[in-house]
This record gives sequence, structure tokens and C-alpha cells, in this order.
Amino acid sequence: EDQVTQSPEALRLQEGESSSLNCSYTVSGLRGLFWYRQDPGKGPEFLFTLYSAGEEKEKERLKATLTKKESFLHITAPKPEDSATYLCAVQAGGGADGLTFGKGTHLIIQP
Amino acid sequence: DVKVTQSSRYLVKRTGEKVFLECVQDMDHENMFWYRQDPGLGLRLIYFSYDVKMKEKGDIPEGYSVSREKKERFSLILESASTNQTSMYLCASSLQGRMGYNEQFFGPGTRLTVL
Repeated sequence: EDQVTQSPEALRLQEGESSSLNCSYTVSGLRGLFWYRQDPGKGPEFLFTLYSAGEEKEKERLKATLTKKESFLHITAPKPEDSATYLCAVQAGGGADGLTFGKGTHLIIQP
Repeated sequence: DVKVTQSSRYLVKRTGEKVFLECVQDMDHENMFWYRQDPGLGLRLIYFSYDVKMKEKGDIPEGYSVSREKKERFSLILESASTNQTSMYLCASSLQGRMGYNEQFFGPGTRLTVL
């Protein structure tokens, strides 16, 4: 069974304080690992897709990296508007296209 | 930009009612999905569809059915709503299995309350 575990569950940072969110996964044949951002009461917003170990993607203050067992979402010098829940999901090679999601990391950036 | 819309943001129904949740996407995507999101459980896949009139069960299909009569529209049906189906329902769409284009794009969600 595919599993995705995100840590920490919640993280509170000061504005400008860089940190990393972790996503550990167990899948039978990874087709893709996805990061989403979700604001309260809204649908997830796509951020990144990673396909193979060693791959990295960047967008503004966010950088996602991938190894064979985990992915990290690095947040550099965050601002209050980066506050959200960050979701990690995997797509396995078993044929189905549905994503398996982790439970998310709730990030709060204090001014 | 991909746009996925859902027919209602908030819905209140009574136990036993038949409930229809509608989803429309405007990017000619082949794949469409229905998830539910609950505190402490995260997003879970209910049903998905590869093409018109095609459907596949996800991880938690019990109590739900789906309909896809047109490529752009995917409906989730609760045949007889129960209180344990109170949840946030999220629709998503994606292109068909092309490397580099597998990301799913989500709608704003429908918060369903069953009394």
C-alpha cells in the first residue's frame, strides 16, 4: 500500500526564518511526487512535480527536492503570505492515476 | 490557466436525500477525479475517470457513484446521503498520462453538511 508521511504536522516560523518540510513516501514505482499549497476553505494549488531522485524545482521562495525515499520543501526567508497548509502527494506506477496524499504541514509565518 | 469549477461552495442536505455534486473543467483534460478531505485523514480518492463514460473506483467508493457523460463534466452522486458523508469534496482534472503533465488541478471544493 502506498504511504505518504509529512512532518512536522505544524510549524511556526518568524518572518525571514528559513526551514524545510519533509515528505517521506513508500510506493511501488514512483511516477511522480507533487507538492501543493492549500489555503483555508480552498482547493489545493499546484506547486511542483518531481519525477526522479536528484531532481530539484524552484519557485520564488520555495525549492523542492527529491530522493529515493523522501522529498523536502525548503522555504527561504518566508513571508506571512507563505502561511498555508502544504500537501505532498505521490502517483504510483500501478496504473491508477489517483494521487495518494500526506496529511499536510500547517505552516504559520509570523510577522 | 486551467480552470476547474464546482457547482456549489456550500451545501446542506438531509439524511437520505440524493445529492449531486457537479464539476466542470475547461482545459480538455481526459482525467477527472473526486476526492474528499477530512481533518486528520487528509485527501482520499473516491472515484476517477479516464474518458467519457469510463469510471474507476478509488480508495473509498462506498456510498458514492459517478457519471461522466461529457468530457468536461464529472458528477459525484450520493445515492442516500448519510451524516458520515459530511466533508469537503474536491474535484480535480489532469491530462492523460503524459510524462511531465501529470499534475492534477483542483477546483475550489464543496463543503457538504448532511443533517
